[in-house]
Amino acid sequence: DAGVIQSPRHEVTEMGQEVTLRCKPISGHNSLFWYRQTMMRGLELLIYFNNNVPIDDSGMPEDRFSAKMPNASFSTLKIQPSEPRDSAVYFCASRKGTAGANVLTFGAGSRLTVL
Amino acid sequence: GDSVTQMEGPVTLSEEAFLTINCTYTATGYPSLFWYVQYPGEGLQLLLKATKADDKGSNKGFEATYRKETTSFHLEKGSVQVSDSAVYFCALDRGSTLGRLYFGRGTQLTVWP
Repeated sequence: DAGVIQSPRHEVTEMGQEVTLRCKPISGHNSLFWYRQTMMRGLELLIYFNNNVPIDDSGMPEDRFSAKMPNASFSTLKIQPSEPRDSAVYFCASRKGTAGANVLTFGAGSRLTVL
Repeated sequence: GDSVTQMEGPVTLSEEAFLTINCTYTATGYPSLFWYVQYPGEGLQLLLKATKADDKGSNKGFEATYRKETTSFHLEKGSVQVSDSAVYFCALDRGSTLGRLYFGRGTQLTVWP
């Protein structure tokens, strides 16, 4: 299994530009999570999906952020317009099942720098 | 609400020293508990887990025991190596139908030769 695949690994953009981060979860996993990691705030849960349906998006910072999961094998996190304070590492993670001790598997992350 | 509190870092140790990273939790019911590790430039990966009280999770020389009476899940290793340098995260899963993991802030560990 290739694991959770994220792209791009690194993105540098200018303030005001649209950014789209992509994630392919592990086949057979039906829960998908988007996290953001910064030095100041640590690891924050932005949104998570179960069976492609958004369950909790209370962690999405503001309307500039949106996430979709059109099918079981693909999700996107979009920031429009981007701002310097959005600079962070964004992680996607997936797991099988909805509860219990099922392990969460993380991707390698997308490092975003907004100038 | 559910939460995890772990000791502030950074933690700096010499090789072969004993490691303890404290973790306590607040949760209703009977959560499962996890330790994840993040090596530089990588995503988090599972280190060990425990699913019920008094269970001991272990992996790569690391251990943690699920203590319900003290709501704790402290991570220990008897002799750390330089390769253990990483950020360690404690987490809980309450096991609800629409579950999510609650992570602590992470503890940076640096081991010097």
